[in-house]
Amino acid sequence: AQRVTQPEKLLSVFKGAPVELKCNYSYSGSPELFWYVQYSRQRLQLLLRHISRESIKGFTADLNKGETSFHLKKPFAQEEDSAMYYCALRTGGFKTIFGAGTRLFVKA
Amino acid sequence: GAGVSQSPSNKVTEKGKDVELRCDPISGHTALYWYRQSLGQGLEFLIYFQGNSAPDKSGLPSDRFSAERTGGSVSTLTIQRTQQEDSAVYLCASSGGTSLGSEQYFGPGTRLTVT
Repeated sequence: AQRVTQPEKLLSVFKGAPVELKCNYSYSGSPELFWYVQYSRQRLQLLLRHISRESIKGFTADLNKGETSFHLKKPFAQEEDSAMYYCALRTGGFKTIFGAGTRLFVKA
Repeated sequence: GAGVSQSPSNKVTEKGKDVELRCDPISGHTALYWYRQSLGQGLEFLIYFQGNSAPDKSGLPSDRFSAERTGGSVSTLTIQRTQQEDSAVYLCASSGGTSLGSEQYFGPGTRLTVT
């Protein structure tokens, strides 16, 4: 079955601390993975996608097929990073499955 | 340019009534998605349309839910005989392509409250 698991509903860190938002997926095919973010009172928007191997706002995510993970990382969290983060898996039919989301709270 | 728009932004309805939610995708986008966002449940895939292909309805939770997309543009999600568990934010997204890495652009959502 296709599934995306984000084990943490809430993650609270201090400003300047490293942050890692976990995402594990279950999919028998070749996965296409994304991280979307929703800031307070804003629309859900793309943060990054695994095929681009990019760093956006200091965030990176590496696809680990062996561990079926796509964890989102940032070495030094900022208060403006506080938001809801969703990991998403797009399957071959373009159906996209989202995780339950992790709310990141960065404390001053 | 204009992004994805949805209407109404809020809808309060009585249990048992039918509701229609509208989505206007970004012009030229061939793919359109509907999701339901509930507290603690994340985003639940409902249905997606791609061009003239038959829609993928695999996420619709019951036969009370249906959606159509007219002329490859505007889409309407209809919920018949609404139940309290239908209360959620319904999000629409569109995408300009189906190639690897294609981004989905989300609308602001319709908050549905069934009393």
